[in-house]
Amino acid sequence: GQQLNQSPQSMFIQEGEDVSMNCTSSSIFNTWLWYKQDPGEGPVLLIALYKAGELTSNGRLTAQFGITRKDSFLNISASIPSDVGIYFCAGRQGGTSYGKLTFGQGTILTVHP
Amino acid sequence: SAVISQKPSRDICQRGTSLTIQCQVDSQVTMMFWYRQQPGQSLTLIATANQGSEATYESGFVIDKFPISRPNLTFSTLTVSNMSPEDSSIYLCSVEVPGGRAIGEQFFGPGTRLTVL
Repeated sequence: GQQLNQSPQSMFIQEGEDVSMNCTSSSIFNTWLWYKQDPGEGPVLLIALYKAGELTSNGRLTAQFGITRKDSFLNISASIPSDVGIYFCAGRQGGTSYGKLTFGQGTILTVHP
Repeated sequence: SAVISQKPSRDICQRGTSLTIQCQVDSQVTMMFWYRQQPGQSLTLIATANQGSEATYESGFVIDKFPISRPNLTFSTLTVSNMSPEDSSIYLCSVEVPGGRAIGEQFFGPGTRLTVL
């Protein structure tokens, strides 16, 4: 089946630092989504990307849809303690796979005050 | 977006029993999905819950083990049947919001944390 390779698996950073994580795939996706999951909660949608090359920001978060449609990255600027959590990328192929999301393995982010 | 609730939020069950998880959405949605998240792992799609017809299951998941109902556009249930400890996971429902730029955006419920003894 489809696989998304998400890296890094975990990050330990100081408050105020910038963070970057990415996802790559051997398959093309029509949509890339980035989610954050807090302990005991469901994933919360952060950013959705729809077009190759698209760069979208949501506050301190910036994400890009790779030109090849096989990758995406998420940047978090000036991290704060509440950024702690697990970040997942997800790709959607569309067509007969309409609606189906494939998830990356997740990046565990720890922010030290 | 959509507001999604799940019941129960967590449960501890005995091996061999079954548990039905409910998912309620605050608006009508075309597409509802059920995911499993095993401990420390990512999310894996179990099936697409189709309104008025049988669910569409992903490879590795079968209707006898995970029967799904979708009686209307705001509600679905997932049953985990004949449970074993390997079924201990978080089960999440999600919905895809229809129309406009929101196509492709899936929103998740809070999850049901299941422990099977």
